[in-house]
Amino acid sequence: GNSVTQMEGPVTLSEEAFLTINCTYTATGYPSLFWYVQYPGEGLQLLLKATKADDKGSNKGFEATYRKETTSFHLEKGSVQVSDSAVYFCALSHLPTGANNLFFGTGTRLTVIP
Amino acid sequence: GAVVSQHPSWVICKSGTSVKIECRSLDFQATTMFWYRQFPKQSLMLMATSNEGSKATYEQGVEKDKFLINHASLTLSTLTVTSAHPEDSSFYICSARGRGLAGGPMYEQYFGPGTRLTVT
Repeated sequence: GNSVTQMEGPVTLSEEAFLTINCTYTATGYPSLFWYVQYPGEGLQLLLKATKADDKGSNKGFEATYRKETTSFHLEKGSVQVSDSAVYFCALSHLPTGANNLFFGTGTRLTVIP
Repeated sequence: GAVVSQHPSWVICKSGTSVKIECRSLDFQATTMFWYRQFPKQSLMLMATSNEGSKATYEQGVEKDKFLINHASLTLSTLTVTSAHPEDSSFYICSARGRGLAGGPMYEQYFGPGTRLTVT
């Protein structure tokens, strides 16, 4: 079956700290992988994605590399800001756009303190 | 960008009553809407998919008679939790995809902010 496991939060970091949120997946075939972010009071927004092995998705200083050998898609950012405080969801889909069935992880709440 | 709203953002109801949650696409035509729910410390799980004007398709294990979905227009879908019980307490999120204002297809899902339902 299809499933996503991501590290449990919450995660609290000081501003400018390095961020890693782990995500591993189980899937049939070759899925596309996504990170979504949900800011307080808003809907989930696509942050970045990768559609095949060894692809790196990046956006707003965040990046994640699709690692087929370890079935992982860990989210990283070199220097977090207070404005990055949000809930981050890892997800997979068998469509590269994520237009249909998305399988999500539990979400990880990140709080960045000044 | 494409915006999806949900109403209410939170609701508390008594066991045995029904609750309706609305999901609206504000600046695009939502030909397909999705309903998800998330129990505490669990994954966001797809409940059902609805296409405008058609009956919803429910995921395995989701009771269609309990979770009534209506997608009667290109901008509105509703989820009604009938005879709610405490175990239905959850975070419900809708998403939508469809056509942009110019009529071109949209290739990703756009999410609402969610509705937290508490059944006492």
